[in-house]
Amino acid sequence: GEDVEQSLFLSVREGDSSVINCTYTDSSSTYLYWYKQEPGAGLQLLTYIFSNMDMKQDQRLTVLLNKKDKHLSLRIADTQTGDSAIYFCAEYLNYGGSQGNLIFGKGTKLSVKP
Amino acid sequence: DVKVTQSSRYLVKRTGEKVFLECVQDMDHENMFWYRQDPGLGLRLIYFSYDVKMKEKGDIPEGYSVSREKKERFSLILESASTNQTSMYLCASSLPVTGAGETQYFGPGTRLLVL
Repeated sequence: GEDVEQSLFLSVREGDSSVINCTYTDSSSTYLYWYKQEPGAGLQLLTYIFSNMDMKQDQRLTVLLNKKDKHLSLRIADTQTGDSAIYFCAEYLNYGGSQGNLIFGKGTKLSVKP
Repeated sequence: DVKVTQSSRYLVKRTGEKVFLECVQDMDHENMFWYRQDPGLGLRLIYFSYDVKMKEKGDIPEGYSVSREKKERFSLILESASTNQTSMYLCASSLPVTGAGETQYFGPGTRLLVL
């Protein structure tokens, strides 16, 4: 089945690290994504990882992929109040050829306390 | 930079009205999508289109229709708006599958209230 699960809320203090977790169910997923949605705005792509990688780092962001457990995480180092947003995990399912679909989780709302 | 624009940020309509939500992208993307976003439910795909005049139903197409007459424009139509269609509507576009899968670029969203 196609399902992406993530916890709905996370609260951290400014300067701490945040870790947002996600599990997915389809082992054939080729790409996994993290999107960020700031209040009142659309979704913005943060980063993505290909399924043959287990880690990707981009400045304060670290993505870890455990393909065996179908677990994806996003770590934000030195979390700032501007990181407060909803973070969506998404998996790309390729149905064959150029047909596919992005399956989104419900989003994790990150609150950063000063 | 890819730009996806939506015709309205906020919209208030009455039950039974016909509602048009417009989305335009400027990057010559083949694929376009309409989602609705509701608290606790995340994003749900309503319709998508892989090409001009093409449309495919998503997970929740009931009560909606779409139109793709030009590549850059994808319209979502609520034939007879109902209160349970009060939601945030997000449009997205993407290229076909590339080395990065299918990165979707989102518009800012239209918050629709149906009274």
